[in-house]
Amino acid sequence: QVQLQQSGPGLVKPSQTLSLTCAISGDSVSSNSAAWNWIRQSPSRGLEWLGRTYYRSKWYNDYAVSVKSRITINPDTSKNQFSLQLNSVTPEDTAVYYCARDRVGAVAHWGQGTLVTVSS
Amino acid sequence: DIQMTQSPSSLSASVGDRVTITCQASQDISNYLNWYQQKPGKAPKLLIYDASNLETGVPSRFSGSGSGTDFTFTISSLQPEDIATYYCQQYDNLPGFTFGPGTKVDIK
Repeated sequence: QVQLQQSGPGLVKPSQTLSLTCAISGDSVSSNSAAWNWIRQSPSRGLEWLGRTYYRSKWYNDYAVSVKSRITINPDTSKNQFSLQLNSVTPEDTAVYYCARDRVGAVAHWGQGTLVTVSS
Repeated sequence: DIQMTQSPSSLSASVGDRVTITCQASQDISNYLNWYQQKPGKAPKLLIYDASNLETGVPSRFSGSGSGTDFTFTISSLQPEDIATYYCQQYDNLPGFTFGPGTKVDIK
């Protein structure tokens, strides 16, 4: 059974970097059949896909156009986890952030969610 | 970008009622459409994938149909535990995917 456990701060100051980690159990971040995503949810933007990392003989990343200049998603094979970094945050980045595993577009496994508030 | 719309935005129905939600894509997405249920304070849960396939462990009162741009999600007999917000999600233009705005279902 795949389980995803998120960790990271719930409060980030404007202009700073939002950092979250998602620890994986029951699967491998290096799996050739899964992709590891970050998705966020806010009242104003709804559910918004941010990006993903996945391994198919080498590592790939894809990012949403809306955050492409500010986002990095990295796998950590030694700890079987992946991370999100979102730079230069503003109050518009306040949201519940989820890590998630998808199988060809269907997100069957989600982390518990982390409410991140951007405020001074 | 592919835009997703859902209707209605909310509905109230009685226990045992048949509930139908529609989802429309701004362009043809074949059957690349999933449905999720989200309860307050929880992550979304996958119910239907590829427009009409029931995810393992999901009750058979949930079903989906459609292809192209028009899709339907049905609860054949509404139960109290079905109170939630339901989202459609397209994945025709991977790598990213797009969710609909959601339909909130309440008990009358």
